[in-house]
Amino acid sequence: DAGVIQSPRHEVTEMGQEVTLRCKPISGHNSLFWYRQTMMRGLELLIYFNNNVPIDDSGMPEDRFSAKMPNASFSTLKIQPSEPRDSAVYFCASSTGYNYGYTFGSGTRLTVV
Amino acid sequence: AQTVTQSQPEMSVQEAETVTLSCTYDTSESDYYLFWYKQPPSRQMILVIRQEAYKQQNATENRFSVNFQKAAKSFSLKISDSQLGDAAMYFCAYRRERQAAGNKLTFGGGTRVLVKP
Repeated sequence: DAGVIQSPRHEVTEMGQEVTLRCKPISGHNSLFWYRQTMMRGLELLIYFNNNVPIDDSGMPEDRFSAKMPNASFSTLKIQPSEPRDSAVYFCASSTGYNYGYTFGSGTRLTVV
Repeated sequence: AQTVTQSQPEMSVQEAETVTLSCTYDTSESDYYLFWYKQPPSRQMILVIRQEAYKQQNATENRFSVNFQKAAKSFSLKISDSQLGDAAMYFCAYRRERQAAGNKLTFGGGTRVLVKP
């Protein structure tokens, strides 16, 4: 089991550019979560999916952020246009059932200059 | 809404000694799960231990144990025989057991643990 796979590990982009973060959950996990981690705000849940369906996107900061999960093995988080305040570490996590914690990916460190 | 509070921004411990991290949470639910996650400098989030609210027995995983006080809504983590590799950020997290769909985690602000050789 390769775990939750995120790409890229690091991303540096210029303000105004589109950024796409990718995540492959663990096979068989039916829930997928996107979190953002910053020093100021800690770990914030952006959106989560159950069986590929978005359940709660109330944490998505604004319309510049969008997330998709076209199938059980892939999800994207897109920021368009990006801004310097979007700089953070973005984590994807997946889980199955109610008994378990999440398995996190290694995160993507995004820097918008 | 559920909230999780970690009141200690940083804790320091001597190698081989014991350190206890505090966590309190606010919920009106009776069934839920609590977790401690470790985030070393590599930034990988690692599940350390979990506790089911319906269980009175405190969870233990090797050198890690919890003190779960349901009435007080307290969930502390004890690290025994601290090792240099225990140096990391530790996050307490809460999840409702019963959800219409999904099972999102709510995290505390974290406690940084420093281990002195």
